[in-house]
Amino acid sequence: DTGVSQNPRHKITKRGQNVTFRCDPISEHNRLYWYRQTLGQGPEFLTYFQNEAQLEKSRLLSDRFSAERPKGSFSTLEIQRTEQGDSAMYLCASSLKGNSNQPQHFGDGTRLSIL
Amino acid sequence: SQKIEQNSEALNIQEGKTATLTCNYTNYSPAYLQWYRQDPGRGPVFLLLIRENEKEKRKERLKVTFDTTLKQSLFHITASQPADSATYLCALGDSGYSTLTFGKGTMLLVSP
Repeated sequence: DTGVSQNPRHKITKRGQNVTFRCDPISEHNRLYWYRQTLGQGPEFLTYFQNEAQLEKSRLLSDRFSAERPKGSFSTLEIQRTEQGDSAMYLCASSLKGNSNQPQHFGDGTRLSIL
Repeated sequence: SQKIEQNSEALNIQEGKTATLTCNYTNYSPAYLQWYRQDPGRGPVFLLLIRENEKEKRKERLKVTFDTTLKQSLFHITASQPADSATYLCALGDSGYSTLTFGKGTMLLVSP
């Protein structure tokens, strides 16, 4: 399968714990995005990378959130000191660089549940 | 502030009919618009992209229109099938940015 891969698919943790998610984009895609989606809502942009550079961050991305893409390939999203409000589906997408009108291809997400 | 509106109520149609979904936006001048399909528990799947200078785009049974004067896009599925049942999301993008702003989506239910 050459699509976007996300791990784990599900994560259940207690409030206050740290969690880390991984995203492996489509291999030739140099842009990688993180979104968050809650029930009944569309995905909301969190941050995006072009190769290893983090080029944009949403105001939704509080100080407890950090994302990395160390070698311009896979990416990790870490949430520290999780809160109830962090419960959501975290989606990763990738696209080719080019003009900005490139479709983004999504993984199936990591569903985070905070107890 | 920017606002994207999609039909909040589910659209129920019979197999074989044409489904039409609406995406309206305000306080926004997108350079392009994308439509995605999302099944429960899965990520969105890209369907079609239409640019601001394009009026209409087609792909197999799918058709998208983009009216920048009305600030509206219509998404049509002809000869609908039960397998088309899903939530359909519209997403808008700016020319200078790579990020997408999504609507809440419309659930389509196609009954046999």
